[in-house]
Formats: sequence, C-alpha cells, structure tokens
Amino acid sequence: KQEVTQIPAALSVPEGENLVLNCSFTDSAIYNLQWFRQDPGKGLTSLLLIQSSQREQTSGRLNASLDKSSGRSTLYIAASQPGDSATYLCAPLGGGADGLTFGKGTHLIIQP
Amino acid sequence: ETGVTQSPTHLIKTRGQQVTLRCSSQSGHNTVSWYQQALGQGPQFIFQYYREEENGRGNFPPRFSGLQFPNYSSELNVNALELDDSALYLCASSLPQGAGETQYFGPGTRLLVL
Repeated sequence: KQEVTQIPAALSVPEGENLVLNCSFTDSAIYNLQWFRQDPGKGLTSLLLIQSSQREQTSGRLNASLDKSSGRSTLYIAASQPGDSATYLCAPLGGGADGLTFGKGTHLIIQP
Repeated sequence: ETGVTQSPTHLIKTRGQQVTLRCSSQSGHNTVSWYQQALGQGPQFIFQYYREEENGRGNFPPRFSGLQFPNYSSELNVNALELDDSALYLCASSLPQGAGETQYFGPGTRLLVL
C-alpha cells in the first residue's frame, strides 16, 4: 500500500524567499506524480504533473523534481509571494485504477 | 471549455440518512474519480468510473456507491450516514488513468452529518 509523507507539515516565511517542499512515497511503481495546491475550504488546483520517465517539470516560478527510485519529489517555489499561501499536496499515481494517494500536505504561509 | 463542477456545495444530513452528490466532468474527460477529505487530512480515493463502469476502488465500505452516465457525469451515493462521513467530497475528471493524465478537481461538496 502506497504511503506518502510530506515535510515540513507547516512553513511560514517572509515574502521573496525561495523554498523547497518535500514529498516521499513508499512504492516506486508509479505512473506519475502530481503537485496540487488547496486554498482553505476549496478544491484542488493542479500545479505540475511529472511523468515517471521525467526528472523535472517547470511552470513559471514552480519547479518539481522526481527521483522515482528513491521515492522522493520536491517542489521548489522561487521568489515566494503572499498569494502562494495555501496547502500544497503531492500525489503519486499507482498502476491500474488505484487513484491518487495523497499526503497530509504542507501548510505554507508567506508573510507580506 | 468548462471545468469540473459539483453540486450541492454544502449539505447537512442526520445519521442514518442517505445522500447523493453530483459531479459534471471537464469537457472530453471520460474518467471520474471520487475522493473524501476529512478535516486536516489529505484526500482519500473512494472509487473511479470509466465508461459507466467502476474500475477501481479504495478502502471504503459498500454503502459508498456510484454511477456514471453516458455524458460522463457522475453521482456518489452514501447510505446509512455515519458521523465520520462528515468531510469534503471531491470529484476529479481525466482522460483514462492508464495514460497518466492530469486529474482536474472540482470545488467539492462539504457534507456535515449530525
């Protein structure tokens, strides 16, 4: 059974800092891994999807890396802004129709 | 292109009752998945429908059931509601998961069971 751990659970930094969110998963047999953000009481917004054959994916100030063999992914946020404040969730997709497996997320606060 | 929509947005039920939640998938997406998110937790996979058939299920009892219609919209039904069923229910649509496609989530339905 896939298990996902996200570190840190919470993070508060001043605006402008670069930061790294960590995600680890126990089963390396994955199709892909998605990073999402979730604002309080809202649904999930997809940020990046990395296929299992890829090492890295970039979108604007966001960069996600994947090391499938070691069961790790990181989300790098450059030049953080108050609007980046949200909970960030990573979710690997296993084989077949198992659905996404989520961690508990990292609650991020960017101080103005 | 319309995104994933869900209805209702909020719902209050009492223990033992039954509830039906609805989801309209993103245009062109034939796969719908449902997730339950308890407060402070990550979402948990309930089940997935592809071409009107359930083709994957998480660790949820049979009182959680679903349907997918020819237009790919979907329903989640929960019978004999329990207090622990209080959660945010999320629907996600995608092209078939075997293709490793991005899943797009709706805004969710907040269910409170009293």
